[in-house]
Amino acid sequence: KNEVEQSPQNLTAQEGEFITINCSYSVGISALHWLQQHPGGGIVSLFMLSSGKKKHGRLIATINIQEKHSSLHITASHPRDSAVYICAVVDYTGNQFYFGTGTSLTVIP
Amino acid sequence: EPEVTQTPSHQVTQMGQEVILRCVPISNHLYFYWYRQILGQKVEFLVSFYNNEISEKSEIFDDQFSVERPDGSNFTLKIRSTKLEDSAMYFCASSRTGTPSTSGRIVVRSTDTQYFGPGTRLTVL
Repeated sequence: KNEVEQSPQNLTAQEGEFITINCSYSVGISALHWLQQHPGGGIVSLFMLSSGKKKHGRLIATINIQEKHSSLHITASHPRDSAVYICAVVDYTGNQFYFGTGTSLTVIP
Repeated sequence: EPEVTQTPSHQVTQMGQEVILRCVPISNHLYFYWYRQILGQKVEFLVSFYNNEISEKSEIFDDQFSVERPDGSNFTLKIRSTKLEDSAMYFCASSRTGTPSTSGRIVVRSTDTQYFGPGTRLTVL
C-alpha cells in the first residue's frame, strides 16, 4: 500500500519546457515536502507546504488539501534540473513520514 | 550557509558487526531525523528525535537500531548487528522548529523545512 503516489515516474523534457510533477496522498497530513535528489544521491529540500502555493525561483509548488494533491512545477526547465523529485508527507499526528517513489526528470539541452 | 554533515561517506562492514553513523546537524536546529534509501528504492523514514528523546520511529527501526546525541553537536545512528539488508544510503536531517505536543508526549510536528546531510553509504558484506 502506497500512501504517496507520484506521476509520472519518468519524465524527459526539452530545455525550456514547463514541467509538472504530481503527487497524491491518501492520509491526512500536517505537511508535505518536495525534495530533490541529485544523481550523486544527495537530497535537497525544495519546499515544505501545508496549504496554498510557494514559489522559489523557477520552482512553484501547490497543494490542495481537500483533494489530497500537490504539484511541483518547473518553468523554463534547464539540464541542471535533471534529478529525482520526491514528494513526502507528514501525517496529521505529526510524526509518520511517507515518501513517494520519486519522479526521475531528465532535461535535454 | 550552514549544512548538515555526515561521516563516514562510505562504510563497509561485515555482517554481524556494529556500525555507528555520525551526523552533525545544523547548530541551532532542535529536531533530528534518520532516513534510509536502499539502492533503487524510495526513501524510508527511520526515526525522529527531539529533546534527547525518540519522538517517533518506524517499523524498520527495531531493537537493532539506536540513536543518541552524545554531545551538543553529534547525532548518531547505531546498528548493533548489521544484516545484509541494512545495506543502504542513510541520510540524516535536521530542522529548526516543530511544535511539541502539549499532551505530555513529545510529538515532533515536522512543519519546518528539513535540511539533509549528504548521506552515508553503508555496505554490509
